[in-house]
Amino acid sequence: EVQLVQSGAEVKKPGDSLKISCKVSKFNFLNFWIGWVRQMPGKGLEWMGIIYPGDSETTYSPSFQGQVTISADKSITTAYLQWSSLKASDTAIYYCARGTIAVAGGYYFDYWGQGTLVTVSS
Amino acid sequence: SYVLTQPPSVSVAPGQTARITCGGYNIGTKSVHWYQQKPGQAPVLVVYDDRDRPSGIPERFSGSNSGNTATLTISRVEGGDEADYFCQVWDRIRDHPFGGGTKLTVL
Repeated sequence: EVQLVQSGAEVKKPGDSLKISCKVSKFNFLNFWIGWVRQMPGKGLEWMGIIYPGDSETTYSPSFQGQVTISADKSITTAYLQWSSLKASDTAIYYCARGTIAVAGGYYFDYWGQGTLVTVSS
Repeated sequence: SYVLTQPPSVSVAPGQTARITCGGYNIGTKSVHWYQQKPGQAPVLVVYDDRDRPSGIPERFSGSNSGNTATLTISRVEGGDEADYFCQVWDRIRDHPFGGGTKLTVL
């Protein structure tokens, strides 16, 4: 069965850097997109961006462009989401998900990781 | 950016039909996807491309999309359907907004 396994919860201070991971298995990492979704405490889902590991093409939501970096390592079938300087407002659960192309364009997420809780507090 | 509007809550008795709407300008021209999220769990895709169901999703879940409104319909609602439901589309500026979510309560 398709699996996306995310790294564990993190507690960081404002200004810290962070890189969380999403290890995938049971499907061809190079033939699908991997996206990231933020869910702030008690709030809805926010689409952050997506990467195609086959050629590292990456698209960011305008809301997250310049705030985070999405990358992938084909050799270990793992995608990453990173911050260079965290803020308290980055406190959230972050999900990775497999993206499949939709009929009318764009992607939908058909498999999801379990989520990584990131807490940023001084 | 493109805005998707969902009702904050929908309530329905067991065995009845729940309809959750997702409003957006000319949404009928876009592919709409729906996710179910239960407390403490990751979202699950229940409908994609307006009306298709992933394997393992009951036939009770169906979708439609026309004009300015897409609808997720859950027939013969069960207690286990109680969850938050989110719609999602792709916008031409390459954003993929989600709706604000609808909490389905089974009375």
